[in-house]
Amino acid sequence: AQSVTQLDSHVSVSEGTPVLLRCNYSSSYSPSLFWYVQHPNKGLQLLLKYTSAATLVKGINGFEAEFKKSETSFHLTKPSAHMSDAAEYFCVVSVAWGNQFYFGTGTSLTVIP
Amino acid sequence: DTGVSQDPRHKITKRGQNVTFRCDPISEHNRLYWYRQTLGQGPEFLTYFQNEAQLEKSRLLSDRFSAERPKGSFSTLEIQRTEQGDSAMYLCASSLGSTNTEAFFGQGTRLTVV
Repeated sequence: AQSVTQLDSHVSVSEGTPVLLRCNYSSSYSPSLFWYVQHPNKGLQLLLKYTSAATLVKGINGFEAEFKKSETSFHLTKPSAHMSDAAEYFCVVSVAWGNQFYFGTGTSLTVIP
Repeated sequence: DTGVSQDPRHKITKRGQNVTFRCDPISEHNRLYWYRQTLGQGPEFLTYFQNEAQLEKSRLLSDRFSAERPKGSFSTLEIQRTEQGDSAMYLCASSLGSTNTEAFFGQGTRLTVV
């Protein structure tokens, strides 16, 4: 079975400081892992994905995530938060053949000016 | 616009009425998914099509829900005899039929049952 746990429901950072959004996964198979962002009244947008190539994955808007198999983690980071980063972030796991995408409950990121 | 499109964007209906939503996936994508998202929660899987074949259905998809994808192109999701608990955002996504590919999501249909 596949599942995702996002360890923080809300994260608040000051503009210009680092962002860390934590995600742990469980998967019976080699997983594919994704981070999606959802801005208010907008659709889900893919930030980045891990598919068993490099363990450090770079995405859009300066975000990156590191796959750590030993810790079953896939945390999302960004060196410097921007006001436009304020949104809901979802960690997602899938198996390679992609019949389902399993979402975490989301982390709401607030960026303080 | 070559992304996933959903129609309508918003639907308000009275309890007991039937509603139907439409999803047009990205044209070359042969997989299509329906998800439901309630306030403060992540999207939950409802069902999945490979071309026109409905291959998986969640236990969340009660007998009042039915989804179709005739000819493997657009899809419809119908809810019969709506209940207040059906109020949610219904998301459609599509993906290529190859391994390790991501899903592309539409903006969703927000259903309010009054």
